[in-house]
Amino acid sequence: DSGVTQTPKHLITATGQRVTLRCSPRSGDLSVYWYQQSLDQGLQFLIQYYNGEERAKGNILERFSAQQFPDLHSELNLSSLELGDSALYFCASSVYGNSHYEQYFGPGTRLTVT
Amino acid sequence: GESVGLHLPTLSVQEGDNSIINCAYSNSASDYFIWYKQESGKGPQFIIDIRSNMDKRQGQRVTVLLNKTVKHLSLQIAATHPGDSAVYFCAENRAGRRALTFGSGTRLQVQP
Repeated sequence: DSGVTQTPKHLITATGQRVTLRCSPRSGDLSVYWYQQSLDQGLQFLIQYYNGEERAKGNILERFSAQQFPDLHSELNLSSLELGDSALYFCASSVYGNSHYEQYFGPGTRLTVT
Repeated sequence: GESVGLHLPTLSVQEGDNSIINCAYSNSASDYFIWYKQESGKGPQFIIDIRSNMDKRQGQRVTVLLNKTVKHLSLQIAATHPGDSAVYFCAENRAGRRALTFGSGTRLQVQP
């Protein structure tokens, strides 16, 4: 158990809908990273927050957004969902703000868009 | 283009064998490397990392070797057992970049 929690574990929704994925980092970690993993694909970095502020952006679509709250949990919002958004979404947390240190991953949320 | 890639998509070994999983990277400025293990239905699990000022780093049953001359990284797992069966990812970072870049993964199958 990495200490990172994610909810929900599974999510099934229809095209055009909006969903929110939630992540709680390990105790003491200030950074949260969001990744997308499509079937048999590697991990694609989406976005990072550090202590409540956006720190880095990767291949995140404009339909997606995220935020980190004062208690350091983070939410990833996916809107106008398309079939191609079906994937595993992971969050990871780290103590530091730069990614030259290990990141600890949560169990993921499996999103299925029908 | 810049990439972190894996030589073999699937590696099958016998229980008790030593396993070697390879990874190539393309950017000589990469200075931080990390290996993750991902079991089916789970999130990636940190295994070991290495910085570019080192050639070798050992953990429990695992060793990472870094050859900067040929831009190659390997993960050696000693005495593999079925519990080691998983997909292994390498990832890299470099100064000025704010995110890890992950390779596409190698599936390790350990036959009992």
